[in-house]
Amino acid sequence: DAGVTQSPTHLIKTRGQHVTLRCSPISGHKSVSWYQQVLGQGPQFIFQYYEKEERGRGNFPDRFSARQFPNYSSELNVNALLLGDSALYLCASSPGHLRPLHYEQYFGPGTRLTVT
Amino acid sequence: GENVEQHPSTLSVQEGDSAVIKCTYSDSASNYFPWYKQELGKRPQLIIDIRSNVGEKKDQRIAVTLNKTAKHFSLHITETQPEDSAVYFCAAAQGGSSNTGKLIFGQGTTLQVKP
Repeated sequence: DAGVTQSPTHLIKTRGQHVTLRCSPISGHKSVSWYQQVLGQGPQFIFQYYEKEERGRGNFPDRFSARQFPNYSSELNVNALLLGDSALYLCASSPGHLRPLHYEQYFGPGTRLTVT
Repeated sequence: GENVEQHPSTLSVQEGDSAVIKCTYSDSASNYFPWYKQELGKRPQLIIDIRSNVGEKKDQRIAVTLNKTAKHFSLHITETQPEDSAVYFCAAAQGGSSNTGKLIFGQGTTLQVKP
């Protein structure tokens, strides 16, 4: 039984470039959330999607965008990368249906993004 | 705004002792409180959670208590083992009509269990 998967594992980009991170939720889960975790801190909420619709957005600039596909996988896009975007980007999946969307979120291994 | 404060930031105990980590939250509408364990270089792992209609929940050596009036919740680990060493995060989620996936995390507690 596969858990949440994310790709790539690591990524090195230069300032000003853009990046696309990918996430596949647990089979049967319909909701995906994205979090940014800076070293030494707790995860910060970026987005949540359910049934391909954005259901929540955190305090991040418009350079951050995301979408969810019909198979419930998701992409996080970040444009015009800044040094401060260097972090671990975590995807979390939750069942979504028949309960509040924030219940029981299970995290993927994350993508470590380094911006130089 | 929404905020979760977590204490202590570091905790060192002897194997077999108990460990307690405490969190306070600011949003009185919060109704779901999960705890995550994150080992170095690994994903946060959901270890236990509690909903606002319950005061205490236990799962083997771990337990969580919730005091809604004081807006406090705590993680208790008994009979600690070296493999319990990790960073622990508390979180809170807003309920009611705000049905989003937004979890607000505390700053984390680094637990070290000495053999």
